[in-house]
Amino acid sequence: DAGVIQSPRHEVTEMGQEVTLRCKPISGHNSLFWYRQTMMRGLELLIYFNNNVPIDDSGMPEDRFSAKMPNASFSTLKIQPSEPRDSAVYFCASSLGSGTGELFFGEGSRLTVL
Amino acid sequence: KQEVTQIPAALSVPEGENLVLNCSFTDSAIYNLQWFRQDPGKGLTSLLLIQSSQREQTSGRLNASLDKSSGRSTLYIAASQPGDSATYLCAVKPSGGYNKLIFGAGTRLAVHP
Repeated sequence: DAGVIQSPRHEVTEMGQEVTLRCKPISGHNSLFWYRQTMMRGLELLIYFNNNVPIDDSGMPEDRFSAKMPNASFSTLKIQPSEPRDSAVYFCASSLGSGTGELFFGEGSRLTVL
Repeated sequence: KQEVTQIPAALSVPEGENLVLNCSFTDSAIYNLQWFRQDPGKGLTSLLLIQSSQREQTSGRLNASLDKSSGRSTLYIAASQPGDSATYLCAVKPSGGYNKLIFGAGTRLAVHP
């Protein structure tokens, strides 16, 4: 299995620009999670999808962040407009079932907003 | 509110030593606990998952134990190697609901030859 695939691996952009991060979960997994990792705050859950439906988006920092899952094999996390404090590593993870099983992470997308 | 603490924050040992990494959590109502490894610039790799009804799990040189009543888990690494150098994170899934893992800050391990 190819594992969770994220793109881009690295993104450098200027403040105010739109950023789109992409994720392909493991085939057959029906739960998908977006996490953000920073030195200051560690790993934070941003949003969780089950069967392509957003279940909990309480971790999304503000309206500048949005996430979609149009089908079982693809999800996006969009930041518009981006700000320097959004600089972090964004991870996508997936699991089987109703989200109670073992979690598998992608390699992450490192975002730098100048 | 569930909080997860990992001690020590960093550890440096010579090759060959047996290690114990500690994880504690404040609320014993957990569904499972998962140990992860993270290499610099990489994602998290799942090492072991212990269900709340289990006491321990083993994989190769790794052994993880869980004492739910005392809110503790330990990750034991036998005969450490330089390739074990990484950050180790534990995460708990609270009972009920979905896989909203609560992560500790991690223990950064360096094993030197």
